[in-house]
Amino acid sequence: QVQLQESGPGLVKPSETLSLTCTVSGGSISSYYWSWIRQPPGKGLEYIGYIYYTGSSNYNPSLKSRLTISVDMSKNQFSLKVSSVTAADTAVYYCARSRAAGNLLLDFWGQGTRVTVSS
Amino acid sequence: DIQMTQSPSTLSASVGDRVTITCRASQSITNWLAWYQQKPGKAPKLLIYKASTLETGVPSRFSGSGSGTEFTLTISSLQPDDFATYFCQQYESYLYTFGQGTKLEIK
Repeated sequence: QVQLQESGPGLVKPSETLSLTCTVSGGSISSYYWSWIRQPPGKGLEYIGYIYYTGSSNYNPSLKSRLTISVDMSKNQFSLKVSSVTAADTAVYYCARSRAAGNLLLDFWGQGTRVTVSS
Repeated sequence: DIQMTQSPSTLSASVGDRVTITCRASQSITNWLAWYQQKPGKAPKLLIYKASTLETGVPSRFSGSGSGTEFTLTISSLQPDDFATYFCQQYESYLYTFGQGTKLEIK
């Protein structure tokens, strides 16, 4: 069974870059789409974007100017970078896999990692 | 963006009860709707996709229905393991959007 695990700093200073990695185990990163989702405290889930194993990606327009999602097939990992962070970027960040089931379906998620933006 | 409105936000029920959670989309999403279960500190688990298709390994007491803008998740006979938070998600658009979640509590 596929498992995903997020990792990265739990505290980031305002204006700096948030960097997270998702490690995929129990399956290959190839042939699937890989997504990031976040949930600010007390709010709903927000979709951030996805990357295909080939490197093609699609981002939430509201975040696009600050986002980079990349994939490292040699390590079976994919990563998220959010630049110029503010307190509004404080959230639990989830990584997830999408499979093609007609449209892209999020079928496996990581358990999430909490990131706080504060000086 | 497609807005997803889920109700109720909290639901109190007992083991053996039949419960229903509703999710409404702000525009038609055909049947591109998924339901997930989440327990504290754990990864969300896919239960149902394409509105009514049970994911492999999910107990048959879970069922989904609906199309267009109105959808329901039903648990036919609650088991102790079912007390968790449930949320819906549309995937008609690549810009996935989610319901706010329903916390299912023990009465």
